[in-house]
Amino acid sequence: GQQVMQIPQYQHVQEGEDFTTYCNSSTTLSNIQWYKQRPGGHPVFLIQLVKSGEVKKQKRLTFQFGEAKKNSSLHITATQTTDVGTYFCAASGSARQLTFGSGTQLTVLP
Amino acid sequence: NAGVTQTPKFQVLKTGQSMTLQCAQDMNHEYMSWYRQDPGMGLRLIHYSVGAGITDQGEVPNGYNVSRSTTEDFPLRLLSAAPSQTSVYFCASSSTAGGGGNQPQHFGDGTRLSIL
Repeated sequence: GQQVMQIPQYQHVQEGEDFTTYCNSSTTLSNIQWYKQRPGGHPVFLIQLVKSGEVKKQKRLTFQFGEAKKNSSLHITATQTTDVGTYFCAASGSARQLTFGSGTQLTVLP
Repeated sequence: NAGVTQTPKFQVLKTGQSMTLQCAQDMNHEYMSWYRQDPGMGLRLIHYSVGAGITDQGEVPNGYNVSRSTTEDFPLRLLSAAPSQTSVYFCASSSTAGGGGNQPQHFGDGTRLSIL
């Protein structure tokens, strides 16, 4: 099945610092999705990227899809305590199966 | 609009017991799936369904059965619970445009299952 590697596994930042998580695949991805899971909660869909080199922004969050469609990143500018949680990328090799990365757990220190 | 509803929220079982985790959605989604989440391992796909009467295996199907008799419901059965099945289980649904697995997934709140 589709394999996606996500790094780092953990990230601690001071409030106001930036944060980036990376997702990599050895094969070309048809699309990539990003989810956020708050502690004790369920994953919530953030965005989907489809096009090579695509960049999308949601307020302080910037999502990028690599030119070769083998990697993606999520960057948060000036983190806030509300950004705490685990961020997952997910990709579908087969259109019927979605494979999740292992996630990056973000801690924001006030 | 309830979205995806999972029951129970918590369950403790003894090794060898069987049980069914319930999942229902009211969004008329054809695609439904079950994931398990273990620390440091993300979410792993157990089984999925692209419509009533159709199910297929995901990455970690052993020890679990599913059925899909209606569009709304997709129960997950543990046949003989083992401690290795201690996990948090999430049900998700989406439309099937393009296959289902490449659509935004709507998750339930999860079932936290402990096997003693």
